[in-house]
Amino acid sequence: ETGVTQTPRHLVMGMTNKKSLKCEQHLGHNAMYWYKQSAKKPLELMFVYNFKEQTENNSVPSRFSPECPNSSHLFLHLHTLQPEDSALYLCASSQGTSGGPGELFFGEGSRLTVL
Amino acid sequence: GQNIDQPTEMTATEGAIVQINCTYQTSGFNGLFWYQQHAGEAPTFLSYNVLDGLEEKGRFSSFLSRSKGYSYLLLKELQMKDSASYLCAVMDSNYQLIWGAGTKLIIKP
Repeated sequence: ETGVTQTPRHLVMGMTNKKSLKCEQHLGHNAMYWYKQSAKKPLELMFVYNFKEQTENNSVPSRFSPECPNSSHLFLHLHTLQPEDSALYLCASSQGTSGGPGELFFGEGSRLTVL
Repeated sequence: GQNIDQPTEMTATEGAIVQINCTYQTSGFNGLFWYQQHAGEAPTFLSYNVLDGLEEKGRFSSFLSRSKGYSYLLLKELQMKDSASYLCAVMDSNYQLIWGAGTKLIIKP
């Protein structure tokens, strides 16, 4: 139990579907992150939120739309995805981003399959 | 470009010692992290090195040489539960984390 909970754990969707991934952290952290993890590839940072404000968007396609209503919750809205978007999507949190993220606390991930 | 290299896969025997290497070329350096990730689970923090030398934490130790752009994670008295992927990440001069692709460690009885 890392204090970061992601739902759903598994998701299968067609290219025309719209779905959302949810992340909640119970650690009192101020920063939250979305990462993409593909087999045998480095973690890819997608978005960073600090105190609910987006501070980074690493050239992520617009078919991925993040939402951070408060410091404890983070969503990733998905629409018209491509098969190459199939991956494990990891949410993480940290105390802040000043001076770097420090130790990251990850959720167990949402395994996404796009048909 | 920035790059982190670590072996894709390693195999070791229960009770033995294994060393997982990580070499990096980054724009600046503000520390190196090791994370452990069991299959289907969240990555979890193992260690952080910012100064040269060896940091020991139980059966796990992490070493850093900034001049060589090199780190290793040393696991002693290997147990079956140590079978996992080990991720190396470097924080660059902009405090961005640069990740390696991970090393899958297989422990055999």
